[in-house]
Amino acid sequence: EVQLVESGGGLVQPGGSLRLSCAVSGFTFSDHYMDWVRQAPGKGLEWVGRIRNKANSYTTEYAASVKGRFTVSRDASKNSLDLQMNSLRSDDTAVYYCVRGSSGLVPALDYWGQGTLVTVSS
Amino acid sequence: DIQLTQSPSSLSASVGDRVTITCRASQGIDNYLAWFQQKPGKAPKSLIYSASSLQSGVPSKFSGSGSGTDFTLTISSLGPEDFATYFCQQYKSYPLTFGGGTKVEIK
Repeated sequence: EVQLVESGGGLVQPGGSLRLSCAVSGFTFSDHYMDWVRQAPGKGLEWVGRIRNKANSYTTEYAASVKGRFTVSRDASKNSLDLQMNSLRSDDTAVYYCVRGSSGLVPALDYWGQGTLVTVSS
Repeated sequence: DIQLTQSPSSLSASVGDRVTITCRASQGIDNYLAWFQQKPGKAPKSLIYSASSLQSGVPSKFSGSGSGTDFTLTISSLGPEDFATYFCQQYKSYPLTFGGGTKVEIK
């Protein structure tokens, strides 16, 4: 069974940093792209960033709103996906979801974690 | 960026109704479109990928169609468990983008 479990959310002051983690199980981690998607309270879904699979050298892509502030990384030995968030702003307040990319040349988003809430406030 | 416009933004329907939601892309995305269902306080759940392929375990009352710029999600017979918000999403190009959502409410 595919499982994605996020952790690390919480309250942080504007300008601060936070690191989210996602523990994965039930599939071969290195074979899949992995994404972060967020949802501000009462709002829609916003893609944050992606890290490709091993076959594609674990390269990354980011939304313009977080590029230069957020970093997506993965640790194959721990089956873990991370999101390092720096220079946080109030509009980064959201539930952050870890999402798996499906198999295939152009992966769709298939399995989602339960999400972790990040609140940026003084 | 590719914009996705969903319509309607909300609808009221009864159990047993046939419901259709549309998603229009600002430029062609071939069939790189997915649909998700989200219930309050829960993570989104994947329903459809490649515009018309059902994810494993998703009931056949859900179907998707379209290619290029115009897509639809249809629920053939609405069940009580289907009252939720539905989002479309394109994965043709970066940044990946989502539609604004369609909230399906009980009439």
